[in-house]
Amino acid sequence: SQQGEEDPQALSIQEGENATMNCSYKTSINNLQWYRQNSGRGLVHLILIRSNEREKHSGRLRVTLDTSKKSSSLLITASRAADTASYFCATALTSGTYKYIFGTGTRLKVLA
Amino acid sequence: GAGVSQSPSNKVTEKGKDVELRCDPISGHTALYWYRQSLGQGLEFLIYFQGNSAPDKSGLPSDRFSAERTGGSVSTLTIQRTQQEDSAVYLCASSLIVAGPRETQYFGPGTRLLVL
Repeated sequence: SQQGEEDPQALSIQEGENATMNCSYKTSINNLQWYRQNSGRGLVHLILIRSNEREKHSGRLRVTLDTSKKSSSLLITASRAADTASYFCATALTSGTYKYIFGTGTRLKVLA
Repeated sequence: GAGVSQSPSNKVTEKGKDVELRCDPISGHTALYWYRQSLGQGLEFLIYFQGNSAPDKSGLPSDRFSAERTGGSVSTLTIQRTQQEDSAVYLCASSLIVAGPRETQYFGPGTRLLVL
């Protein structure tokens, strides 16, 4: 199975509500990153959290990392219709490679 | 250029033909990655190049797939004898690797490949 798996697979909320999506992974990581993808094309980097960090904020985004549980969550507060997209976590492994492993993604739909 | 560019944007080919997909990374970025994304799925790692090191080809699905990076810049992903299951969006990303933790990847818009 994949290194990173997000849940839920799909999420539909009303504008103004908060959206939370989770990512689980299997092996030790150097850092974990979240990306957004619109319309099945290129991904845009949102935030990076390193293995020695537990929480990070960027605007309306809040990311947590629990290395003991090998999981991360992405919270988007006060969601907007423009936040509608797929969200992926990507893990950078600790050693021997610069390879990133992407999760399966959460499709978020924000209803106006 | 300002970002990662890929060409062509879309490619339709017949089963059995060879295709070449091109990626121009951000100038100065030492690492370049290729991914494949099937419809509604996550990203599948294919290959990455880092500086002058040997590429990590561990994600290439078969020997029909190959990639090269010339002069540490432009990369070409070649798929020989294409099959219908090769239909997907092929994404390229680059990043600036410096000593220390892994860095952010910057993605191109992708090439949508359709094999008939």
